[in-house]
Amino acid sequence: QIPLKESGPPLVKPTQTLTLTCTFAGYSLSTTRLGVGWIRQPPGKALEWLALIYWDDDKRYSPSLKSRLTITKDTSKNQAVLTMTNMDPVDTATYYCALLDNTDAFDIWGQGTLVTVSS
Amino acid sequence: DIQMTQSPSSLSASVGDRVTITCRASQTIGSYLYWYQQKVGKAPKLLISTATTLQSGVPSRFSGSRSGTDFTLTISSLQPEDFATYYCQQSYSGRTFGQGTKVEIK
Repeated sequence: QIPLKESGPPLVKPTQTLTLTCTFAGYSLSTTRLGVGWIRQPPGKALEWLALIYWDDDKRYSPSLKSRLTITKDTSKNQAVLTMTNMDPVDTATYYCALLDNTDAFDIWGQGTLVTVSS
Repeated sequence: DIQMTQSPSSLSASVGDRVTITCRASQTIGSYLYWYQQKVGKAPKLLISTATTLQSGVPSRFSGSRSGTDFTLTISSLQPEDFATYYCQQSYSGRTFGQGTKVEIK
């Protein structure tokens, strides 16, 4: 059983909205201090944090991308969803979701999903 | 925004070498600093949390330290499986990753 798994379209067109879902098994986002974060990595480049959401629905966003991002959770489905508007080719990256542990570290990561932005 | 400056960006080392990677925060972050290891084509793996706490299952040759806003990841005796890219990350305010340090075989 894979603890976390990202799902979403592998290809989006410029200006479209990307919706990614993180489904986790064996954990519940109703557990105190648990959280889920989204991180991306363009090909050959460094990791970039995007957003996170905690068990109590507290949400945080990267300041540089805040206007384009929305993160939500569905505790009953054990899912966290990230939407990113106005996609551009520079947003081409592998998108990861990760569980935040009680030390606030990204403790468990999904395998990542590659999203390509191209017309 | 808090910036994390990692150095060096890459290094070449031999098996058995002692390797040190540094991460400097642009402002105080307390000990809210984490180290990850990423191998090619794989998701990052958490090595050290809160600057110095080794994660369960991580070999003891890895260690972390803090001096003010400077943080260090040390590999005491580099092993073949340690060749990878290493990232620091702060959680004091939002989240920021360093640019990464690629450890290559000499």
